[in-house]
Amino acid sequence: SSELTQDPAVSVALGQTVRITCQGDSLRYYFASWYQQKPGQAPVIVIYGKDNRPSGIPDRFSGSGLGDTASLTITGAQAEDEADYFCNSRDTSGNHVVFGGGTKLTVL
Amino acid sequence: QVTLRASGPALVKPTQTLTLTCTFSGFSLSATGMSVSWIRQPPGKALEWLARIDWDDDKYYSTSLKTRLTISKDTSKNQVVLTMTNMDPVDTATYYCARIGDDYVTLLYYWGQGALVTVS
Repeated sequence: SSELTQDPAVSVALGQTVRITCQGDSLRYYFASWYQQKPGQAPVIVIYGKDNRPSGIPDRFSGSGLGDTASLTITGAQAEDEADYFCNSRDTSGNHVVFGGGTKLTVL
Repeated sequence: QVTLRASGPALVKPTQTLTLTCTFSGFSLSATGMSVSWIRQPPGKALEWLARIDWDDDKYYSTSLKTRLTISKDTSKNQVVLTMTNMDPVDTATYYCARIGDDYVTLLYYWGQGALVTVS
């Protein structure tokens, strides 16, 4: 079982805004990172730290957090955003990593 | 440019020991603050963190798997090796290695292409 909790599936209409959430005790102490994974590919980090995007990640991706919940927001979802999204953070010890179970995003 | 690549046998038998190698370039694991982790993903399932080794040879293991895992590094070869003993069909997964980010905080920033291992 995952120590971070995500909704298994979320859908969004093309061009609309969607929020994917991640909940867990470790998020009170550590920022979440968010990963996009398309079939047959390795995960790609899209958000890390407070709200940082690696180069090459569109600015429609943003991150936020409050208490034990972190959120990934896609503002103006595109067809190419359809993918699985995983969150992770350090665990409460700071030395291990915990993952969420993943959210399958469908763009309608 | 940071690159990582996981490699290992595609097929192992139950009870055997799996040895995986992460070969990387674009950085040195002897650099202060550097860290490489192993992660796995069973087909159609979630990611699971396995182990981590730091620049100073500190090692950390998944609590649930620590009795079966050993992580080591060969700085001269730019490799990190993970062994997992007593393999079982439930260990069938794609195994990835990943490096800490340039912020030295985000543990799994750069990812390599994974290696699919089937236990049968």
